[in-house]
Amino acid sequence: AQKVTQAQTEISVVEKEDVTLDCVYETRDTTYYLFWYKQPPSGELVFLIRRNSFDEQNEISGRYSWNFQKSTSSFNFTITASQVVDSAVYFCALRDNAGNMLTFGGGTRLMVKP
Amino acid sequence: DTGVSQNPRHKITKRGQNVTFRCDPISEHNRLYWYRQTLGQGPEFLTYFQNEAQLEKSRLLSDRFSAERPKGSFSTLEIQRTEQGDSAMYLCASSSPRERAYEQYFGPGTRLTVT
Repeated sequence: AQKVTQAQTEISVVEKEDVTLDCVYETRDTTYYLFWYKQPPSGELVFLIRRNSFDEQNEISGRYSWNFQKSTSSFNFTITASQVVDSAVYFCALRDNAGNMLTFGGGTRLMVKP
Repeated sequence: DTGVSQNPRHKITKRGQNVTFRCDPISEHNRLYWYRQTLGQGPEFLTYFQNEAQLEKSRLLSDRFSAERPKGSFSTLEIQRTEQGDSAMYLCASSSPRERAYEQYFGPGTRLTVT
């Protein structure tokens, strides 16, 4: 069975602070994919990034960066110089190689205060 | 490309009534997924279709729930004899084998409130 754990249910920061959202996963598959989605108050899930299990290279996209560590089964997400518009619920998700269901974590609600 | 659309966006119904939701995937996406999200939780997988075939169903999909995708395009999710516990956001997603890793694109969801 697959499982995703986001231990931080809620984080509050002041604008311009850096913030890291943690994600730990469990799977028996050797090939799998990890995702981060953003869910703003409007409710629609917005895709942010996908990593496959064979690619441990960290990625940076503007103020966003992701740290994938297979040894600790973690896929953490860092926002640098946070902005109020970053306020949302962020979900980490895991998918097997067959491309079927996504297993989501419980989400982390990020509040960025001005 | 207009994205995944879902209708209605909101539905309020009384306990015991039947409701039906519709999902229109991105055109030419052959896979379509349904998820349910309750307040404060992550989405949970319900079922998915490849073309018109329903290939997997979660144990969350009780016999009061039925999903169809008759022509391999849009899909409907029906809930019979609704219960208050069915109140949730119902999310639809679609994907294509041409997209790397069958990336799933989500619609805006249908929020169901059972009173």
